[in-house]
Amino acid sequence: EAGVAQSPRYKIIEKRQSVAFWCNPISGHATLYWYQQILGQGPKLLIQFQNNGVVDDSQLPKDRFSAERLKGVDSTLKIQPAKLEDSAVYLCASSYPLAGGGNEQFFGPGTRLTVL
Amino acid sequence: QQPVQSPQAVILREGEDAVINCSSSKALYSVHWYRQKHGEAPVFLMILLKGGEQKGHEKISASFNEKKQQSSLYLTASQLSYSGTYFCGTYSGGGADGLTFGKGTHLIIQP
Repeated sequence: EAGVAQSPRYKIIEKRQSVAFWCNPISGHATLYWYQQILGQGPKLLIQFQNNGVVDDSQLPKDRFSAERLKGVDSTLKIQPAKLEDSAVYLCASSYPLAGGGNEQFFGPGTRLTVL
Repeated sequence: QQPVQSPQAVILREGEDAVINCSSSKALYSVHWYRQKHGEAPVFLMILLKGGEQKGHEKISASFNEKKQQSSLYLTASQLSYSGTYFCGTYSGGGADGLTFGKGTHLIIQP
C-alpha cells in the first residue's frame, strides 16, 4: 500500500515570498491533516479535513496560511507571505477509523521549509 | 493544552528497559504513541483508548490511567532500532480528532 506522498521535500524561500505544499493521502482515507513541526518540538495541528470539508482550522494562522482539498483527495497548503518563524517541517497525515474507536494516523515524509 | 512528557531524554545500553511518561491536564479519550527518527516521518506505535482497549503494531506495551490522564510507554530489552524521539499525542473527544503532541522524549540506545 502506498503511503502519504508530499512534495516538495525541501524548500528555501526569502521572507515575504509565497510557497505551496502538496499532499496526496493514502487511497480511501477520508480524513487529512496538516501539522507544523518546529525543530525540537512535537507536531502541531494546523488544519483537519474530512473529505473536502474543514473540520478544524482553529490553529491555522489565517492571515497568511490557507489550505484546500477540492476533490476530497489531494490537498495543498499555502503560506503567503512567509515569515522567518514559519521555518519548520510541514507534515501531512491521513487516517482511517479503527474498529472500536480511535483512528490511526499515517504521516508523510514532510516538507522542510527554510525561510531566510 | 500540550501534554507533558518525561523524561526529556534517555540514554540506554542495548538490552536495558525504559519507561516514557505522558501526562495531560485534560480528560482524554485516547493516547497515541509515535516514534520519529531524525529526518523521517513519525511512525505509529500504539493507541490506547478510554475503556482500556489498545491497538499497536510492535512488541511494545503501554498503559493508560484514565483517572489521572496519564499514559506510559514501556520499552523492554531495548534494541538499537528503538533509538529516536517518542511522541505522545492526545485526543480529548469531539468531532475533530487531530492530535495534540508533547515535546517528545529522545531515546538513544548504545551498543
